[in-house]
Amino acid sequence: SAVISQKPSRDICQRGTSLTIQCQVDSQVTMMFWYRQQPGQSLTLIATANQGSEATYESGFVIDKFPISRPNLTFSTLTVSNMSPEDSSIYLCSVMTDNSPLHFGNGTRLTVT
Amino acid sequence: AQSVSQHNHHVILSEAASLELGCNYSYGGTVNLFWYVQYPGQHLQLLLKYFSGDPLVKGIKGFEAEFIKSKFSFNLRKPSVQWSDTAEYFCAVIGTGGSYIPTFGRGTSLIVHP
Repeated sequence: SAVISQKPSRDICQRGTSLTIQCQVDSQVTMMFWYRQQPGQSLTLIATANQGSEATYESGFVIDKFPISRPNLTFSTLTVSNMSPEDSSIYLCSVMTDNSPLHFGNGTRLTVT
Repeated sequence: AQSVSQHNHHVILSEAASLELGCNYSYGGTVNLFWYVQYPGQHLQLLLKYFSGDPLVKGIKGFEAEFIKSKFSFNLRKPSVQWSDTAEYFCAVIGTGGSYIPTFGRGTSLIVHP
């Protein structure tokens, strides 16, 4: 199974600033996703990170707020822009290859003050 | 569109009790089904998966799940829980005829008292 390294593991940020989260995989993967997990809630898909093209965003998420990059098949970043306390959450990188289940990184616990 | 429903949001059991967590999905075609577990302070881990074949699948740590196609269900079971099973459990579905994007249920919080 793929090993996923996600950085930072946690951060405390001020309102109005931006944070970029990195996701590095130890092998090439077909699909990479970014999820958000708010306290006591399930995982909500933010977007699918597409290699070499713009990410595909789910309803309620926009590129200006959550820009995503995926320059190759092993790396992606998610930026949380112009943060507000409502953005406090755990952000998860996940990957999937053909016929293999979804694997998750350890997540980034973000607190916005 | 696919969706997943987990009816039990909070479950509290004593050690050695039997466990069954409900999971129902909505999708018109073939599905892949998963249960994930998230222990306190840790990341999500795959517990078990169903792609095809025997509808009764066995996972790690004594867990099993049964896919009942007619009921659109994939309930998780364990005959005797342990204190170390305290965790959040998430059911997930991928509709294989669609975009291959996983959809998660809202999770079940399991607390096992020693």
